[in-house]
Amino acid sequence: SAVISQKPSRDICQRGTSLTIQCQVDSQVTMMFWYRQQPGQSLTLIATANQGSEATYESGFVIDKFPISRPNLTFSTLTVSNMSPEDSSIYLCSGTGVDNNEQFFGPGTRLTVL
Amino acid sequence: EDQVTQSPEALRLQEGESSSLNCSYTVSGLRGLFWYRQDPGKGPEFLFTLYSAGEEKEKERLKATLTKKESFLHITAPKPEDSATYLCAVQAGFYGGSQGNLIFGKGTKLSVKP
Repeated sequence: SAVISQKPSRDICQRGTSLTIQCQVDSQVTMMFWYRQQPGQSLTLIATANQGSEATYESGFVIDKFPISRPNLTFSTLTVSNMSPEDSSIYLCSGTGVDNNEQFFGPGTRLTVL
Repeated sequence: EDQVTQSPEALRLQEGESSSLNCSYTVSGLRGLFWYRQDPGKGPEFLFTLYSAGEEKEKERLKATLTKKESFLHITAPKPEDSATYLCAVQAGFYGGSQGNLIFGKGTKLSVKP
């Protein structure tokens, strides 16, 4: 199974600023995803991070607000832009293994926007 | 619309008291059903993937089963360390532009008292 790390683990940010979250996988994965988990809620997919091309966003999420990069098979970033308190959430990165359909998650980044 | 419903929302058990968690789903073309465990402040930890009705998988005190409409996570003689939120997710067939993403239920919060 892949081991996924995220940086930062948590941050407190001011309204109107942006934060970039990094996701690193210890082995190649076929697909990488970014999810959001709002307080007391389950996970909601933000987008699929595509290597070398624009991410594929789910309904309700746009590139201007959540720009995503994936320059290679093991690394991706998610930026939360022009933040508001409604963006306070846990952001999770996940990856799907090369040899199977199992999807593994990072530890998450807990974001608080004041 | 693809949907996942978990019940109960919360479950309190005494140590050694076996029980089951339910995950009902409606999905267009099930590719896989996933069970995860999530501890507070952490990312989901992969437990099982089930692919077809009748399939069963076991891991320690946990056993997952799958029918065409629902999945059960059976917990036999639970211990306090089994306390966590258990998440169920389904992976549908090609869904919009996001092949491979998971649709999560809201989870069952399990508490096991000594």
